[in-house]
Amino acid sequence: SQKIEQNSEALNIQEGKTATLTCNYTNYSPAYLQWYRQDPGRGPVFLLLIRENEKEKRKERLKVTFDTTLKQSLFHITASQPADSATYLCALDPPSSGGSYIPTFGRGTSLIVHP
Amino acid sequence: DSGVTQTPKHLITATGQRVTLRCSPRSGDLSVYWYQQSLDQGLQFLIHYYNGEERAKGNILERFSAQQFPDLHSELNLSSLELGDSALYFCASSVYGTSTSEQYFGPGTRLTVT
Repeated sequence: SQKIEQNSEALNIQEGKTATLTCNYTNYSPAYLQWYRQDPGRGPVFLLLIRENEKEKRKERLKVTFDTTLKQSLFHITASQPADSATYLCALDPPSSGGSYIPTFGRGTSLIVHP
Repeated sequence: DSGVTQTPKHLITATGQRVTLRCSPRSGDLSVYWYQQSLDQGLQFLIHYYNGEERAKGNILERFSAQQFPDLHSELNLSSLELGDSALYFCASSVYGTSTSEQYFGPGTRLTVT
C-alpha cells in the first residue's frame, strides 16, 4: 500500500533562514504531489501542487521540488518568519482497486521558527 | 476563511449515541471529502462525494455513513459511538471530481465521546 514518510521530529530554525522539509513516498508513481499547511486545531490549507513533469515550482517564498526517481519532494521556505511555524503535510492520491483516487496525507512535519 | 463551513464546531456525546456532522462546500465546488484526524492517526480519508455520487471510500467504518444532497451540502453520520471515535472531523471541497487536488478544508468539528 502507499506509504508517505515525513520527518516526525520538529524542525527548529532561526528567523531568516531557509527551512527544508522532506516528503518520501513508496509503491506509487504519482501524477502530482501537494503540500498543505496546518495550524493546531484548524483545517489544512492548500499551498502548492507540483506535477510529475515539473522539477520545481515556486510561490512567493515557497519552493517545491519533485524527484520522481528518488520518490521524494522537498519543500522550502526561504527567509522564514515566526508566522511560518505550523505543521506541513504532503499529500498524494494513489488509485484504489476500483479506479478512484484515495487522497493520502503524510503525518506532517512541525516547523518552529524562532525569532 | 476557506469558504467551507462545518457545523457544529464542538460536539460532546456519550458512547452508543449517534451524531450528524454537516458540511457546506465552497460555492461552485462539486466535490466533498470527509476526514478524521486524531493525534495518533494523522489525517485519515473517509469518503468522497462528487455531485451527489459516492466517488471513493477510505477506511470508513460501517458505523459511519455519509451523503451529499442536491444542494451539494454533505452530512456525515456516526452511530454507536465509541471512545475511540473522539477526533477532529474535517470536510473539504474541491472543484475537481476525478483529481483530489486543491482541496479547501473547513474549520472542523471536534467530537468528544465520553
